[in-house]
Amino acid sequence: DTGVSQDPRHKITKRGQNVTFRCDPISEHNRLYWYRQTLGQGPEFLTYFQNEAQLEKSRLLSDRFSAERPKGSFSTLEIQRTEQGDSAMYLCASSLTGVDEQYFGPGTRLTVT
Amino acid sequence: AQSVTQLDSQVPVFEEAPVELRCNYSSSVSVYLFWYVQYPNQGLQLLLKYLSGSTLVKGINGFEAEFNKSQTSFHLRKPSVHISDTAEYFCAALRAGGTSYGKLTFGQGTILTVHP
Repeated sequence: DTGVSQDPRHKITKRGQNVTFRCDPISEHNRLYWYRQTLGQGPEFLTYFQNEAQLEKSRLLSDRFSAERPKGSFSTLEIQRTEQGDSAMYLCASSLTGVDEQYFGPGTRLTVT
Repeated sequence: AQSVTQLDSQVPVFEEAPVELRCNYSSSVSVYLFWYVQYPNQGLQLLLKYLSGSTLVKGINGFEAEFNKSQTSFHLRKPSVHISDTAEYFCAALRAGGTSYGKLTFGQGTILTVHP
């Protein structure tokens, strides 16, 4: 298996623009997670899916953030009206079940200017 | 709620010396514990995990960790480090049931720098 992939790897955008990131999990994994990591901090949970169902969304996630996993395979994370505080590394992970090891992708680094 | 605290933000050490990276956790329910490593410009990679059973767990690259329930700790150790171990290490906890099942809570990270 090729592992978890994320696209793009880097994104520079101007404040107020919308951005969308994609995550392709390991093919047989039912669980998909999004985390955010800022400089000097550990990853923080944003949301997760069991197949196509979004089961939990962190209170860190404002209404400008939305995530989908339409067919239980790849997922997208959209940020509307980006702010400078959204600058971070956005990590995607997948696992077979809730207790299994989470495999992480390389991340998408977002810079909002 | 649960939390994970890594007690050292940076640990410098010389090559072939032993190292310990400290991690404490707090949770009102049982947790599973993990150590991940992040090399520059790479994703997080699992080093080892504790789910149940023996409190001493061995992982990849010669690392091991000991789960201590009474001290709520899960310290990572390696008897002899290499230059290639230079990376950032994250301790993480996973609730063993109930709500938020599957959500990892990470510590702040410890940057291990191995000097020749």
